[in-house]
Amino acid sequence: DQQVKQNSPSLSVQEGRISILNCDYTNSMFDYFLWYKKYPAEGPTFLISISSIKDKNEDGRFTVFLNKSAKHLSLHIVPSQPGDSAVYFCAARTSGNTPLVFGKGTRLSVIA
Amino acid sequence: GAGVSQSPSNKVTEKGKDVELRCDPISGHTALYWYRQSLGQGLEFLIYFQGNSAPDKSGLPSDRFSAERTGGSVSTLTIQRTQQEDSAVYLCASSSSTGMNTEAFFGQGTRLTVV
Repeated sequence: DQQVKQNSPSLSVQEGRISILNCDYTNSMFDYFLWYKKYPAEGPTFLISISSIKDKNEDGRFTVFLNKSAKHLSLHIVPSQPGDSAVYFCAARTSGNTPLVFGKGTRLSVIA
Repeated sequence: GAGVSQSPSNKVTEKGKDVELRCDPISGHTALYWYRQSLGQGLEFLIYFQGNSAPDKSGLPSDRFSAERTGGSVSTLTIQRTQQEDSAVYLCASSSSTGMNTEAFFGQGTRLTVV
């Protein structure tokens, strides 16, 4: 039973346009959500997070939106740059001593 | 170093052999996680250590897998009698606490190939 789902395995976007990566979750106890970016042969790097008390968090070109009623979050990258090409993982956790639960990732390709 | 360090970066082993993978977390981080990523798959949780609490082993796929964390710092993941399906990138991460709003920092991973 996959608790965090990224239903799009890949996404291709033109440079300068907006990239929207989606993530759905099933566990209503999740209260903290994160996005990680992963380049080949490297470990995932933290990108941005949001707690369940918010519905939006912005950091430069990256914005994460959380819709708790729909159990859905999304990552917006605008404007997209070729260096953003990577695999993006959505992750979630409950409070307390629990590990992060990851989705399967979405491969973003930004075309120059 | 400042980040999470894993060794070796690559390991090729014969089926049936035992392997040990090492993780040096960020100094002072109390939480340590092991994940693995098989080809084309997401990050699969394996085991989680938090301070002196009993580890959460719920993700270990079989009793051939075990992990320990000595002195609350370095961790070793051991796979006994390796099988070809164990081939994956094994990722270690650490975080400063398990409270709200804390992210985990990952190492570069160990690519394990069982032949």
